[in-house]
Amino acid sequence: EDQVTQSPEALRLQEGESSSLNCSYTVSGLRGLFWYRQDPGKGPEFLFTLYSAGEEKEKERLKATLTKKESFLHITAPKPEDSATYLCAVQGSGAGSYQLTFGKGTKLSVIP
Amino acid sequence: KAGVTQTPRYLIKTRGQQVTLSCSPISGHRSVSWYQQTPGQGLQFLFEYFSETQRNKGNFPGRFSGRQFSNSRSEMNVSTLELGDSALYLCASSLGGALEKLFFGSGTQLSVL
Repeated sequence: EDQVTQSPEALRLQEGESSSLNCSYTVSGLRGLFWYRQDPGKGPEFLFTLYSAGEEKEKERLKATLTKKESFLHITAPKPEDSATYLCAVQGSGAGSYQLTFGKGTKLSVIP
Repeated sequence: KAGVTQTPRYLIKTRGQQVTLSCSPISGHRSVSWYQQTPGQGLQFLFEYFSETQRNKGNFPGRFSGRQFSNSRSEMNVSTLELGDSALYLCASSLGGALEKLFFGSGTQLSVL
C-alpha cells in the first residue's frame, strides 16, 4: 500500500525566512510525485510533477526536489501570499495507477 | 476556459438519507476522479472514471458509488449516510492519461447530522 507522510504538519515563517517542507513516501514503483497547493475553501491547485530521483523543478519562490525516499519543497524568501496548505501525492505503478495517494499536508503561514 | 464545477457547494443531510453530488469537468477532459477530504484522514481516493468506465476504485464501502455520462459529467452517490461521511468531496478532471495533472473543483461540503 502506497503511503505518504508530510512534515511538519504546520509551519509558521516570517516573511523572507526560507524553509523546506518534507514529503516521505513508500510506493511500489513510483511513476510520479506531485505537489499541490490548497487555499482555504478551494480545491488543490497543481504545482509540480517529479518523475525520477535527482529531478528538480522551480516556480517563482518554490523549488521541488526528489530522492528515492522523499521530496522537498523549498520556499525561498516567502511572502504572505504563499500561505496555504501544501500537499504531496504519489502515483505508483500498481493496480491503482490512475489514483493519487496524498499526504495530510503542511499548513504554511507566512507572517508579514 | 471554465474550470471544474461542483454542485451543490454545501449540503446538510441526516443519517440514513442518501445524497448525489455533481461534477462538470473542464471541456475536453475525459477523466473524472473523486476524493474525500477530512481533517483527520486528509485526501482519500474514492474512484476514477474515464469515458464512462470506472478504472480505479479506492477502499470505501459500497455505499459510495459513481457514474460518468457521455459528456464526461460525473455524479457520485452516497446511500445510507453515516455521521462519519461528513467531509469535503472533491472532484478532479484531467485528459485521462497516466501522470496527467489533476484540476480540482472547489468541492461539496457535506454535513451529516
